Amino acid sequence: AQSVTQPDIHITVSEGASLELRCNYSYGATPYLFWYVQSPGQGLQLLLKYFSGDTLVQGIKGFEAEFKRSQSSFNLRKPSVHWSDAAEYFCAVGAGVGDSSYKLIFGSGTRLLVRP
Amino acid sequence: ETGVTQSPTHLIKTRGQQVTLRCSSQSGHNTVSWYQQALGQGPQFIFQYYREEENGRGNFPPRFSGLQFPNYSSELNVNALELDDSALYLCASSLPPGQFYGYTFGSGTRLTVV
Repeated sequence: AQSVTQPDIHITVSEGASLELRCNYSYGATPYLFWYVQSPGQGLQLLLKYFSGDTLVQGIKGFEAEFKRSQSSFNLRKPSVHWSDAAEYFCAVGAGVGDSSYKLIFGSGTRLLVRP
Repeated sequence: ETGVTQSPTHLIKTRGQQVTLRCSSQSGHNTVSWYQQALGQGPQFIFQYYREEENGRGNFPPRFSGLQFPNYSSELNVNALELDDSALYLCASSLPPGQFYGYTFGSGTRLTVV
């Protein structure tokens, strides 16, 4: 069965420090992979996505992620965290549903706290 | 380009009642999906609508139902509300099946069942 695991429930980093959020997926075929960010009480904003091609993907707000097929991972990174990055981060995989469509299977999220 | 809009923002209902949530898709998107996000969890897929018909459903009981209209907007209806239905309900729009390139999410409707 398809699934996404985000092993870190909470991560705390100091402002200006680097960040890596882990994501592992289970999916039989070549996956469509996503990272979303959610501020408290808000919807989901897409940070970046991987469909094919270059395994290092650049996103918005200075985030990047690397797809590693051999490790079934899609970790999110940022070289220097800003206080405004404090939020909940969700990794997701696109799984087939219905007629030629896709649903997203989400991990349980990682809450990022930023120390001043 | 307008994004995905959902209404209402917040809603409080009593157990056993029925509720209708509404969603307008992003311009150019004719596929709408609904997700339920319980507190502290990731969103769970409820169902998807394309061409006014259900195109895939997650593991939710039949009391969760939906509609899509010719203008691609959508409704989520939940009958016989239970306390566990309290959650953030997210609507997401996308290009047609076969042209999938990701979802755009709305800000959600926070439903509280008391």
